[in-house]
Amino acid sequence: GNSVTQMQGQVTLSEEEFLFINCTYSTTGYPTLFWYVQYPGEGPQLLLKVTTANNKGSSRGFEATYDKGTTSFHLQKASVQESDSAVYYCVLGDQESNYNVLYFGSGTKLTVEP
Amino acid sequence: DPKIIQKPKYLVAVTGSEKILICEQYLGHNAMYWYRQSAKKPLEFMFSYSYQKLMDNQTASSRFQPQSSKKNHLDLQITALKPDDSATYFCASSQDAGGAYEQYFGPGTRLTVL
Repeated sequence: GNSVTQMQGQVTLSEEEFLFINCTYSTTGYPTLFWYVQYPGEGPQLLLKVTTANNKGSSRGFEATYDKGTTSFHLQKASVQESDSAVYYCVLGDQESNYNVLYFGSGTKLTVEP
Repeated sequence: DPKIIQKPKYLVAVTGSEKILICEQYLGHNAMYWYRQSAKKPLEFMFSYSYQKLMDNQTASSRFQPQSSKKNHLDLQITALKPDDSATYFCASSQDAGGAYEQYFGPGTRLTVL
């Protein structure tokens, strides 16, 4: 079956520190992977998408690359800001449903302190 | 102006009753979705629709029935409500189904079943 694992439930950083969030996935098909971000009181919104292994997706200073060998898809940012505080979800698009069905990880709550 | 409207924002129901969650999108999209986010589980896919036709259904219970009266509407009827149905229900839409199009999420309806 399809699944996504995010082990880091919470991450606390100071402004300008480096962010790295782990994610691993499991699927029988060829994945498309996403990072979504959710701010309090809102629905999730797409941060970036990667459709091909070893290609880099980037948006707003965030970068992610997925490694098919280790089935990992990590999110990183060189220098976080207080406004980056939010919950970040690693998300797997399911090839069998032609990528209609999204599988969300449990989320990593990022808190950036001034 | 909000592009995806979900009504109501909050909903309280008693066990055994029936409720309808409303979703309208003004993005001109052809595909719509429902997801559920409960306290104990990650965001879960429920249904996808394309041009008002059901594409994917990962909801085991027939108590959940989507209703699409127009291409930009996808309501969710829930019957015989149970306390376990308490969750925030998110509606989403994308330009088309398939092909890993970005899914845009609404603000959610928080349902509490007493």
